[in-house]
Amino acid sequence: EAGVVQSPRYKIIEKKQPVAFWCNPISGHNTLYWYRQNLGQGPELLIRYENEEAVDDSQLPKDRFSAERLKGVDSTLKIQPAELGDSAVYLCASSQSRTGFGETQYFGPGTRLLVL
Amino acid sequence: DQQVKQNSPSLSVQEGRISILNCDYTNSMFDYFLWYKKYPAEGPTFLISISSIKDKNEDGRFTVFLNKSAKHLSLHIVPSQPGDSAVYFCAASAAGGTSYGKLTFGQGTILTVHP
Repeated sequence: EAGVVQSPRYKIIEKKQPVAFWCNPISGHNTLYWYRQNLGQGPELLIRYENEEAVDDSQLPKDRFSAERLKGVDSTLKIQPAELGDSAVYLCASSQSRTGFGETQYFGPGTRLLVL
Repeated sequence: DQQVKQNSPSLSVQEGRISILNCDYTNSMFDYFLWYKKYPAEGPTFLISISSIKDKNEDGRFTVFLNKSAKHLSLHIVPSQPGDSAVYFCAASAAGGTSYGKLTFGQGTILTVHP
């Protein structure tokens, strides 16, 4: 079974430029998460989707970040314009559903973003 | 406010010995705990989990212990192998409310197992 797929793996851009990350979750997983991991820290949730619906975007900086999950499968996370402080690893994760106790999340390899 | 803390940034262990990684949390609503392992340039990989109704869960060489009164959990790896060298993250979630499914991670502990 294929895992969570993310692209690109690496991205270098200049500040004020736009950037987009793509994620394809594990087949059959209805819940999708975007996390940001800063150097030396654990991942922090940006947004969570249940199918097409964003059910928790409280940590998403909405002035410059946007996300979508059309058709409830693939998702795209966008930053426009990027700032130096956005340099981080952006991780996508998926789980089967939010129902039940202790749903395990499975992570993709991440996109490492460097803003110059 | 760091709700999940891993106070040891690194741990060095000899091959064959026990590795003990520790994690403390402050949010009493947390009721499900997970350990993830992360190799360089890869995403975190799920290792083992425990729910708040248990105090121990074992899977092969890996055992997680939960002390709810102390808000503390630990991961034991016995015996440690060089391939276990990685960053280990503790994570926690709460069953209810809008935070359901949100994992709160610790800062990670770098484990190095020497041959």
